[in-house]
Amino acid sequence: AQTVTQSQPEMSVQEAETVTLSCTYDTSESDYYLFWYKQPPSRQMILVIRQEAYKQQNATENRFSVNFQKAAKSFSLKISDSQLGDAAMYFCAYRIGLYSGGGADGLTFGKGTHLIIQP
Amino acid sequence: GAVVSQHPSWVICKSGTSVKIECRSLDFQATTMFWYRQFPKQSLMLMATSNEGSKATYEQGVEKDKFLINHASLTLSTLTVTSAHPEDSSFYICSARDPRRSYEQYFGPGTRLTVT
Repeated sequence: AQTVTQSQPEMSVQEAETVTLSCTYDTSESDYYLFWYKQPPSRQMILVIRQEAYKQQNATENRFSVNFQKAAKSFSLKISDSQLGDAAMYFCAYRIGLYSGGGADGLTFGKGTHLIIQP
Repeated sequence: GAVVSQHPSWVICKSGTSVKIECRSLDFQATTMFWYRQFPKQSLMLMATSNEGSKATYEQGVEKDKFLINHASLTLSTLTVTSAHPEDSSFYICSARDPRRSYEQYFGPGTRLTVT
């Protein structure tokens, strides 16, 4: 079974600085996706960024980028120019490929990292 | 964008009663929806996969008879917590798979259930 590990329960960063959140995962599959989700106090899950395992290029979305190390099964999230609105819980998640999983592609989440932004 | 709603957003029920939570995809048809459970300050745990017109697939350890899932249409899945007990109090979140967007999953806003 796949597992997702986030070893940083809490991280703190100064506004405008850069912070990196760590995530490792374990799977025997070759077709899968990795995600970072943000959960603010409203508890609405917001997709931050996603990475297809077959793509070597690291995904980027504005101030958010990932460092995807497939061999090491590592998937870290870098937030540049941190803003107060970035404060939230961040969850790393794994999903098997739709066709590889036969439709059983529910997400497996890590325990989350609470990100604090210091003004 | 893809919008998923849940109703109610918050519900209190007495121990022993049943409560139904609805998950709707508002602007797309979802053949597959997922139900997750989140305890306070914890992560989301997949409970079951809901497929339109067929029986739900439950994750190991999830009681099928306690958490009844029905996906009767392409835009609606329901989760019924039967004979609720205080330990069922939790935050329940659904997601729906959007076939228009590479089958990406979109989350509802969640339902907070409190059993007294």
